[in-house]
Amino acid sequence: DAGVTQSPTHLIKTRGQQVTLRCSPKSGHDTVSWYQQALGQGPQFIFQYYEEEERQRGNFPDRFSGHQFPNYSSELNVNALLLGDSALYLCASSFLGQARSPLHFGNGTRLTVT
Amino acid sequence: GENVEQHPSTLSVQEGDSAVIKCTYSDSASNYFPWYKQELGKRPQLIIDIRSNVGEKKDQRIAVTLNKTAKHFSLHITETQPEDSAVYFCAAQKTSYDKVIFGPGTSLSVIP
Repeated sequence: DAGVTQSPTHLIKTRGQQVTLRCSPKSGHDTVSWYQQALGQGPQFIFQYYEEEERQRGNFPDRFSGHQFPNYSSELNVNALLLGDSALYLCASSFLGQARSPLHFGNGTRLTVT
Repeated sequence: GENVEQHPSTLSVQEGDSAVIKCTYSDSASNYFPWYKQELGKRPQLIIDIRSNVGEKKDQRIAVTLNKTAKHFSLHITETQPEDSAVYFCAAQKTSYDKVIFGPGTSLSVIP
């Protein structure tokens, strides 16, 4: 039973560039949430995808966008990268609406913006 | 907006001693409170969780208590071991359809 997988593991980009991060949820899960974790801080909620639509969004600018595919996998896109976007981006999957469906995290993508 | 606070930010204990991490949440509608452990360079992993209809839950050396009136919940680790050294995050969620909000984390060091 594969867990949550993310790619790539590391990425270095230049300010102003665009980046796409990918996530495959745990088998049986239908919901993907994306989090940004800056060094020494807790995960900050970016948005959540279910049935190929963005259900909820945190306090992140429109430069952050996403997509969910019919197989439940998801992408996170960040445009016009800023130095402050450097962080660990975590994908977490769950089963929406289940009484107890804790988040299962992937290993994350470490994004460095120079 | 919704907020979860956590303290202390760092905690150092001797092996065998107990460790307690405390969290408060702002949204009284929060109903589910998971705790995650994140070892250096690894993914956060769920270690224990509690729902609002339960005041306390225990799993071996780990226990969580919840005071809904005060909007407080705590993680207790007894008989700490070096492998307990990690960053611990508390979190809160209103319903299973809502986002999970995380606290800023507590870095626990267990000294052998």
